[in-house]
This record gives sequence, structure tokens and C-alpha cells, in this order.
Amino acid sequence: GIQVEQSPPDLILQEGANSTLRCNFSDSVNNLQWFHQNPWGQLINLFYIPSGTKQNGRLSATTVATERYSLLYISSSQTTDSGVYFCAVEGWGGYQKVTFGIGTKLQVIP
Amino acid sequence: DGGITQSPKYLFRKEGQNVTLSCEQNLNHDAMYWYRQDPGQGLRLIYYSQIVNDFQKGDIAEGYSVSREKKESFPLTVTSAQKNPTAFYLCASNPRGRAGELFFGEGSRLTVL
Repeated sequence: GIQVEQSPPDLILQEGANSTLRCNFSDSVNNLQWFHQNPWGQLINLFYIPSGTKQNGRLSATTVATERYSLLYISSSQTTDSGVYFCAVEGWGGYQKVTFGIGTKLQVIP
Repeated sequence: DGGITQSPKYLFRKEGQNVTLSCEQNLNHDAMYWYRQDPGQGLRLIYYSQIVNDFQKGDIAEGYSVSREKKESFPLTVTSAQKNPTAFYLCASNPRGRAGELFFGEGSRLTVL
């Protein structure tokens, strides 16, 4: 199956700083999502981005499918951005299960 | 508002007891999923169902059972055969034609005493 690697595993930021989270995957994918898991455990959809670039407020994401990676940019970070960020991919060909990376744990300090 | 509702949020169980976690969605999604999350880990697929009255095993189905009698509902039973049931359980669904776009409930945290 597809392997998903996320980096860095842990990140501590001062409030207001910018950051880039990376997701590498081992094979071509049909779909890719970024999630934020808040401290209460809920997974919030950030982006559905199999290719290209999308922006939503202070967050943006870019997926370069041909090179098998995706980047999540967080600008002007806030304490509410703290939590774990997951990348999840789905392969091609019939029904393919979604594979999750193990996440990047982000802590934003005031 | 449309969404996915999981209950209970917290559950304690004695060893040897079965427990059922509820998952209900009003998004009119065809496919539903159960994932398990352990501390510091990603999510692992337990079971999934693409249509009513049909479901398939995921990567870690042993010790779990499901049913899909209604489109809106996909309950998960954690049986006494599951050796390490303490975990965070997440239910998800996705819309037709967007197989990789998952929407999640708030999760159920199960602790076996």
C-alpha cells in the first residue's frame, strides 16, 4: 500500500510565526486531504487537494502530484492552530482505502 | 446543521464486556467508515461500508463487528475478543463521487478497566 510520511513530527512556534508542514507519499494518488485534529480529538477538514494550490485565510496548501508531495503553509500562527495536522491520501484504481500519515504535532506558544 | 454524531463521547468498560459505539450522519453520504486512533499514531481503518447492507473489513477488523441497516447509521461493536480495545474511535463518511474526501464525527474514547 501507499506509504505516507509527514515532517516534521513536532513543531513549536511563537505566536505570529509562519510554518510549512510536508507530506510525502510513495505512489501516485487520486485524492489528498489535510486535517487538523484539535485538542479535543475532532478532525477538521482543512483542504481537499489532489493537485494544485488552495488558500483559506491564513492557511494554504500545495500538492505537486508528479513529485509526490504536498505542503501545508500556516501564516501568522495563533494558539488555536495548536494540535496535530494529518495528511491522508487515497490511491488509484477501484476502491482504495485512505491512508493517513502519523501527523505533525504543532504547539503555538504566546 | 448536517453532520456526523458519535455517542457516547466517553465510555468505560470492564474486560470481557461488549460495547457498541453509535455513529449517525445526516449528510446523505453513501459511504461510512470506522477508524481507530492510538496515542501518537495515525488513523487505522477498522471497517467501511459503501452502501446499505454491505460492509468490508479494513486493516484491523479482528475483534470488531458492524452493521449497516440504514444509510444514516453505522454502529461499531467492540467485542471481548478485541485484545487492546482502549483507544479513540472515529466515524467518518464521504459523499458520492468524492471517495477520498472524508468528514469525521467528534470521536468516542473507550477505556477498558
